[in-house]
Amino acid sequence: GAGVSQSPSNKVTEKGKDVELRCDPISGHTALYWYRQSLGQGLEFLIYFQGNSAPDKSGLPSDRFSAERTGGSVSTLTIQRTQQEDSAVYLCASSLTATGDTDTQYFGPGTRLTVL
Amino acid sequence: AQTVTQSQPEMSVQEAETVTLSCTYDTSESDYYLFWYKQPPSRQMILVIRQEAYKQQNATENRFSVNFQKAAKSFSLKISDSQLGDAAMYFCAYRSPRPYSGAGSYQLTFGKGTKLSVIP
Repeated sequence: GAGVSQSPSNKVTEKGKDVELRCDPISGHTALYWYRQSLGQGLEFLIYFQGNSAPDKSGLPSDRFSAERTGGSVSTLTIQRTQQEDSAVYLCASSLTATGDTDTQYFGPGTRLTVL
Repeated sequence: AQTVTQSQPEMSVQEAETVTLSCTYDTSESDYYLFWYKQPPSRQMILVIRQEAYKQQNATENRFSVNFQKAAKSFSLKISDSQLGDAAMYFCAYRSPRPYSGAGSYQLTFGKGTKLSVIP
């Protein structure tokens, strides 16, 4: 079946502009995660959605970052007033459940964001 | 907070040989989950192997196996009969059995990664 998909694959933007990154999880997966992968920082957790519950936003680095998940499926990560330090690869992952033997996270190919 | 350490930023192996990638972690929990992910240049993170801490038997997946030493908090990955397609970044990751926060997140904590090169 189809895996996790993300769009766009690459995004170049100017400092101060807003960007939207999209994630389509595997069909039927209830849990969805966003991570950021940047040089020197490794992979950092950003935000987590589980079903219709309130998201865990504890990893968002600033209030310029926000995310939503519509209908328990597609998720959009929005970065407002982008800064150069936002340049990174943004990875999305989904899992069938959040716990137990079906909690393995499957990742999308990521969006490489470059802020000029 | 849990931490994951991969002490080898880069490794190389001759094709058809065996290589072991190291990973150590720090946790006060007794039950948890450990993973190895592979990230080729395409950026897609691919699950290589998974280990539940309550299982004493080391996980294996074809040419990939782990050496899980719970007391030493060590989780190394052995790749046998290395192939050119094994060249990638390898990340060790930890997941707690309990949510990190009130909202119930079960996010992975990753190591910094090991870049594996395979020499023909």
